[in-house]
Amino acid sequence: DAGITQSPRHKVTETGTPVTLRCHQTENHRYMYWYRQDPGHGLRLIHYSYGVKDTDKGEVSDGYSVSRSKTEDFLLTLESATSSQTSVYFCASQGQGLGSPLHFGNGTRLTVT
Amino acid sequence: GIQVEQSPPDLILQEGANSTLRCNFSDSVNNLQWFHQNPWGQLINLFYIPSGTKQNGRLSATTVATERYSLLYISSSQTTDSGVYFCAVGIQGAQKLVFGQGTRLTINP
Repeated sequence: DAGITQSPRHKVTETGTPVTLRCHQTENHRYMYWYRQDPGHGLRLIHYSYGVKDTDKGEVSDGYSVSRSKTEDFLLTLESATSSQTSVYFCASQGQGLGSPLHFGNGTRLTVT
Repeated sequence: GIQVEQSPPDLILQEGANSTLRCNFSDSVNNLQWFHQNPWGQLINLFYIPSGTKQNGRLSATTVATERYSLLYISSSQTTDSGVYFCAVGIQGAQKLVFGQGTRLTINP
């Protein structure tokens, strides 16, 4: 499968602290995405990127920011973590065209206490 | 926005059985993909299939775009097929996929 690595795999943090999750892909994919998965809500898009320094909001972007300074790295930052952001976060990437398969990383389980 | 509905929500079968999972969507799409999330949480892309039929081993998928549905067939189920199956769709001009709620498949030995 596509080489997508997420770090950390697990994190526990306290309410109010900033948190950064990292996604690294080795496929030279143009498009990258951050999703969160919660029981009863399925997979929801937080932010996505269509190139270096080109990003846009998804359906649940409040409280999150992203940055993409290199093709291979896409960072998700929770500016001030809240308990409602406890979730499993998945990064995904897609090749040069939108009509190519989407591939996911293994996820980061984040707990905000 | 586009609505994606998957059915059934849950399916329990014995090993060796065949199954059909359905994905209905509310608008014309130019992108449809099927994913399997295994019990360890990994999401694996099964098919990119905006129209037509594809097969990969015991799995096959058919999308009838004009009637706004897609079907995923699993033949001779194995316990390793257990997990949640998601379909996701994208519309013209959109760079994001919308996911259905998934079908949870349990294959008992």
